[in-house]
Amino acid sequence: GQSLEQPSEVTAVEGAIVQINCTYQTSGFYGLSWYQQHDGGAPTFLSYNGLDGLEETGRFSSFLSRSDSYGYLLLQELQMKDSASYFCAVSLTGGSYIPTFGRGTSLIVHP
Amino acid sequence: DTEVTQTPKHLVMGMTNKKSLKCEQHMGHRAMYWYKQKAKKPPELMFVYSYEKLSINESVPSRFSPECPNSSLLNLHLHALQPEDSALYLCASSQGLAGYEQYFGPGTRLTVT
Repeated sequence: GQSLEQPSEVTAVEGAIVQINCTYQTSGFYGLSWYQQHDGGAPTFLSYNGLDGLEETGRFSSFLSRSDSYGYLLLQELQMKDSASYFCAVSLTGGSYIPTFGRGTSLIVHP
Repeated sequence: DTEVTQTPKHLVMGMTNKKSLKCEQHMGHRAMYWYKQKAKKPPELMFVYSYEKLSINESVPSRFSPECPNSSLLNLHLHALQPEDSALYLCASSQGLAGYEQYFGPGTRLTVT
C-alpha cells in the first residue's frame, strides 16, 4: 500500500518562516508535488520535486530526499494570504504520474 | 489562457434528477481529470481522460458518467445520486503525461437532496 503523512495543522505569525513536512511510504515513487488550496477555492500547483534537493519559487521552496522518503515545503516571509491548506502529493511510476494527495496541512497565519 | 472553467458553480439536485457538470480548458492540455472533494479532505480522483479516451476509472459508481466530447471539454453526467455524493467536484487538466502538475477549475459545489 501507500501512505502519506503530513501535520494536520501548523500556525505561524506574519513575516515568519514555516516548514510543512511530508513523509511517504510507497513503491514506484516518481516525485513529490505540493498544492495550495484556500477555503472555497481550487487547488493550485506550487512545486514539484523529482530529484533530491531544493526547488525554489519565490517565497516558496520545496525539498525532497528520496533516501529518507521525506520532503517539505518551506514558506518564507509569511503573509496573511498564505493561510490555506497545503497538500503534498506523490506521483508513481507507471505512465500517468497522477498525484495522490495527502490529507493536507491547514496553515494559519496570525498577524 | 491558463484557466480551467467549470459550470455551474453550484448545483442542487434531487435523487431522481439528471444533471451534467461541464469543464473547459484552452491550454492545449491532453489529459483531463474529475475529482471529488469532501470538506476538509483531499481531492479524490474519479476519472482520467488522456487524448480524449477514458484511461482511468477509479471504481466510481455508474451513477457518474464522464464524457469527453473533444480535447477542450469534459462533462460529468449525474443520475440517481445519493445524498452522500454531495461534495465539491473539481475538474483539472495537465500537459500530456506530466500529471503531477495539474491546473484545477474552481469546482462545482453539488448538493443532493
